Amino acid sequence: EAGVVQSPRYKIIEKKQPVAFWCNPISGHNTLYWYLQNLGQGPELLIRYENEEAVDDSQLPKDRFSAERLKGVDSTLKIQPAELGDSAVYLCASSSSYGGSYNEQFFGPGTRLTVL
Amino acid sequence: AQKVTQAQTEISVVEKEDVTLDCVYETRDTTYYLFWYKQPPSGELVFLIRRNSFDEQNEISGRYSWNFQKSTSSFNFTITASQVVDSAVYFCALSDGGGSEKLVFGKGTKLTVNP
Repeated sequence: EAGVVQSPRYKIIEKKQPVAFWCNPISGHNTLYWYLQNLGQGPELLIRYENEEAVDDSQLPKDRFSAERLKGVDSTLKIQPAELGDSAVYLCASSSSYGGSYNEQFFGPGTRLTVL
Repeated sequence: AQKVTQAQTEISVVEKEDVTLDCVYETRDTTYYLFWYKQPPSGELVFLIRRNSFDEQNEISGRYSWNFQKSTSSFNFTITASQVVDSAVYFCALSDGGGSEKLVFGKGTKLTVNP
């Protein structure tokens, strides 16, 4: 079974440029998460989707960050414009909310963003 | 608010030594879940274990063991007879039991196992 797929794996851009990250969750997983991981820190949740609905976006900086999951499958996270402080790893995870008392999150390899 | 503290930033051991990674958590919830994840250099977080707040039994899986103590709000992780392949960053995480599944991570402990 294929895991969570993210692309690109690495991205280098200049500040003020836009950037987008793509995530394809494990087949059948209806819940999708985007996490931000700064160097030397643990991941922090940016947004969580249940199908196509964003059910928790309280940590998403909405002035420059946006996300979408139009058909409830794959998702795109965008930053416009990027700032130096956005340099980090962006992780995507997915889980299935059907059945079970707790739904494990499976993580992708992440996209490492460098803003120059 | 929920919080996870991993006081050990980096640990270095020699192969075959035992090593314990500490995790202390804070939560006001009576139902919650605790996790350990491994992050090798490739970057992908690998799930190791989940524990719910009502199950304080220690668990052993091969060379890995976990000690959950509610009295001290700790969930420590021990690797017995460490191997070079155990080198990674290990994260402890906490989630409430209300179904939000929001994981709150500690800052991680970088373990280096030298041959």
